[in-house]
Amino acid sequence: KAGVTQTPRYLIKTRGQQVTLSCSPISGHRSVSWYQQTPGQGLQFLFEYFSETQRNKGNFPGRFSGRQFSNSRSEMNVSTLELGDSALYLCASSFTIVGGTDTQYFGPGTRLTVL
Amino acid sequence: KNEVEQSPQNLTAQEGEFITINCSYSVGISALHWLQQHPGGGIVSLFMLSSGKKKHGRLIATINIQEKHSSLHITASHPRDSAVYICAAANTGNQFYFGTGTSLTVIP
Repeated sequence: KAGVTQTPRYLIKTRGQQVTLSCSPISGHRSVSWYQQTPGQGLQFLFEYFSETQRNKGNFPGRFSGRQFSNSRSEMNVSTLELGDSALYLCASSFTIVGGTDTQYFGPGTRLTVL
Repeated sequence: KNEVEQSPQNLTAQEGEFITINCSYSVGISALHWLQQHPGGGIVSLFMLSSGKKKHGRLIATINIQEKHSSLHITASHPRDSAVYICAAANTGNQFYFGTGTSLTVIP
């Protein structure tokens, strides 16, 4: 089975721009979660999608949004980029049952640099 | 206060040593996950456990639900075990709370 893929792998943007990141989960996985990793804050949960519905959202401003398509692929969007948004953005997929948690399979991440 | 606390933050060991990394959490969980992150960013899930103990090769993970505490043990450590180890508490909604990670260096 192919693993979780993320595109692009690296991205450089300037303040005020917006960015869209893409994540393709492992075939058969219906849950996709997004995480932000920075040296100062570590790993932080952004949101989780299951069957095209956002089930959970972390403590991030509304500039961070996402969606999931019927084929389980997911996109994350950050609008009005700030310098502090520079981070590694990771997505993970899982075959999650409702009301539970399952092993997370992580993608390689997208390294976003905001100048 | 963070929902998940890990210790130690940094750990240096000689090859062959027995290693323990501790994790305490304050949230209600569906399961506790242990993750490994190598330089370059790739994250691999090592264990997911909701009770008792799991073993995979030289790695052992235990959890005490009453005390809200989990440990990751590495027996006969090897330089290839050098990585950052992260514990994560997942609630029933699959929302994750992460520890700050333990950076492990195993010296030959």
